[in-house]
Amino acid sequence: TQLLEQSPQFLSIQEGENLTVYCNSSSVFSSLQWYRQEPGEGPVLLVTVVTGGEVKKLKRLTFQFGDARKDSSLHITAAQPGDTGLYLCAGANQAGTALIFGKGTTLSVSS
Amino acid sequence: DAGVIQSPRHEVTEMGQEVTLRCKPISGHDYLFWYRQTMMRGLELLIYFNNNVPIDDSGMPEDRFSAKMPNASFSTLKIQPSEPRDSAVYFCASSLGPSSGEQFFGPGTRLTVL
Repeated sequence: TQLLEQSPQFLSIQEGENLTVYCNSSSVFSSLQWYRQEPGEGPVLLVTVVTGGEVKKLKRLTFQFGDARKDSSLHITAAQPGDTGLYLCAGANQAGTALIFGKGTTLSVSS
Repeated sequence: DAGVIQSPRHEVTEMGQEVTLRCKPISGHDYLFWYRQTMMRGLELLIYFNNNVPIDDSGMPEDRFSAKMPNASFSTLKIQPSEPRDSAVYFCASSLGPSSGEQFFGPGTRLTVL
């Protein structure tokens, strides 16, 4: 069974701080996605990483896929209150047709 | 496009009652997914369809749960009889499939079983 472990589970920081969220597995994934979910809404895709060692940047967010394609990290620089939400990583099954989600990291950024 | 549409947004029912959740995927998407989200277990895949055909229902918790997709624009998830432990937020999502990978989620249905 493929599992994705996310850490930390909860993170509460001040505006302007930097943070890193981790997503780890013992399984290899063909690709990995990061989603962000706000209260009362469904998750929304932020990024997809496919190649081992790949780094993608989305404004103040930096995503990295591990060389062995078993882990990933999300780094946020100078966090803002608008970054508050639940961050979920998801690995694609071998066929690429379904996703396995981690339990998520709840981020709270206060001003 | 209006995105994935789910109804109802909130459902409160009593134990033993039948519950039906509805989903309209994004037009042109060949894949439809049903998820359940709780604090304890996170976001769990229940079942998914490709071109209206169920592909993997291994996540369906038990026989009380059933899902159908009679056509490309409509799917239902039914719980009969419902139990308090079924209380959760149920999401429907759709996607173009492996070529894209991105799943588009609906706003969810918050189910409370008393």
